[in-house]
Amino acid sequence: DQQVKQNSPSLSVQEGRISILNCDYTNSMFDYFLWYKKYPAEGPTFLISISSIKDKNEDGRFTVFLNKSAKHLSLHIVPSQPGDSAVYFCAAVISGGGADGLTFGKGTHLIIQP
Amino acid sequence: NAGVMQNPRHLVRRRGQEARLRCSPMKGHSHVYWYRQLPEEGLKFMVYLQKENIIDESGMPKERFSAEFPKEGPSILRIQQVVRGDSAAYFCASSPGTGRYEQYFGPGTRLTVT
Repeated sequence: DQQVKQNSPSLSVQEGRISILNCDYTNSMFDYFLWYKKYPAEGPTFLISISSIKDKNEDGRFTVFLNKSAKHLSLHIVPSQPGDSAVYFCAAVISGGGADGLTFGKGTHLIIQP
Repeated sequence: NAGVMQNPRHLVRRRGQEARLRCSPMKGHSHVYWYRQLPEEGLKFMVYLQKENIIDESGMPKERFSAEFPKEGPSILRIQQVVRGDSAAYFCASSPGTGRYEQYFGPGTRLTVT
């Protein structure tokens, strides 16, 4: 039972263009969402997060959009750079529940083409 | 280095041996989480600990796995009588708690069971 789904295992984008990574969730109790970036043989690196009281959060080249009614969020990276090539994980948590373990999707491998 | 530290980075064990994985959280962080990543999968939550307390172990296998976070020293994830299916990357994360849900990950320990 996968509660957080990233349906695109990989995505190829040209350098300089916009990368859009998608994530869907099924558990309506999730109210805080995070994106992580992971290089091979390294731990995930926190990128950006969003609370369910917002529908958008922006940090530099990264913007996360949340559509609660559709249970969908997306990460936009613009402009895409070669160093953005990595696996991106979407994660969700029920805030204030006392059990703060993150539920992760399987990841999307983003490849930035020169 | 103020980040989350894990050791060893690589651990090879024969079937039936014990594996001990160590994690030192970021300075000032009192919440520790352990995750496991199987090949081609996302990270799966295992256990959430605070100093001397297990808060949530809902993701831990019922047998052979245990975790602790003593008053002094690192958090330990212990796997007894390892089997080939335990081969995976094990990641530790820490957070400051107090309403903050971002977790910061260490580089991981890759366990190989031969």
